[in-house]
Amino acid sequence: QLQLQESGPGLVKPSETLSLTCTVSGDSMTSSSYYWGWIRQPPGKGLEWIGSIYYSGFTNYNPSLKTRVTISVDTAREQFSLRLTSVTVVDTAVYYCARHPRDWGSDNWFDPWGQGTLVTVSS
Amino acid sequence: DIQMTQSPSSLSASVGDRVTIICRASQSISRYLNWYQQKPGKAPKVVIYAASSLQSGVPSRFSGRGSGTEFTLIISSLQPEDSATYYCQESYSMGTFGQGTKVEVK
Repeated sequence: QLQLQESGPGLVKPSETLSLTCTVSGDSMTSSSYYWGWIRQPPGKGLEWIGSIYYSGFTNYNPSLKTRVTISVDTAREQFSLRLTSVTVVDTAVYYCARHPRDWGSDNWFDPWGQGTLVTVSS
Repeated sequence: DIQMTQSPSSLSASVGDRVTIICRASQSISRYLNWYQQKPGKAPKVVIYAASSLQSGVPSRFSGRGSGTEFTLIISSLQPEDSATYYCQESYSMGTFGQGTKVEVK
């Protein structure tokens, strides 16, 4: 059974860089042609797709965050990572990682999800 | 950008009731529409994908309909464990989610 687990600092200072890692277990990231994505949810609010990476390294980012986001993959470690630069308080959210079968413009959904990790931006 | 609008924002219904949640897209998205269930403190789980396909393991009381710009999630006989917030999501453009519908079971 595929499982995803987010890890990283729970507190980041304003203007600094948020870095999170998602570790995949239960199956190889390269065993099938899946995308691996990041989604966030500010406390008490809705969900926002941040970006995704294909196992080959192809990336796709939400245009609203594109200038600040980098997603990378390390298939040897079965991990993919998120970097979000120049964070402010509005970046405070629970960050989830998830798998999805295809790129946008098709039948595409997130499943499964990691449990999520709260990142607070505060000085 | 595609906007996804859900209605109502919240509802309260009794066990056994039929519940309908509506999701409208600001432009046609064909049938590229998913529904997620999120319980407090938990990650969302997909219940319906591609507008009407039931995710494996999800009870058959959940169903989805629609195409183009209007979609519905139906819970045919509401159960206590269905208390959650439900989100629609388009997969036509860049995965925009609706604002959510909170379902309370009386």
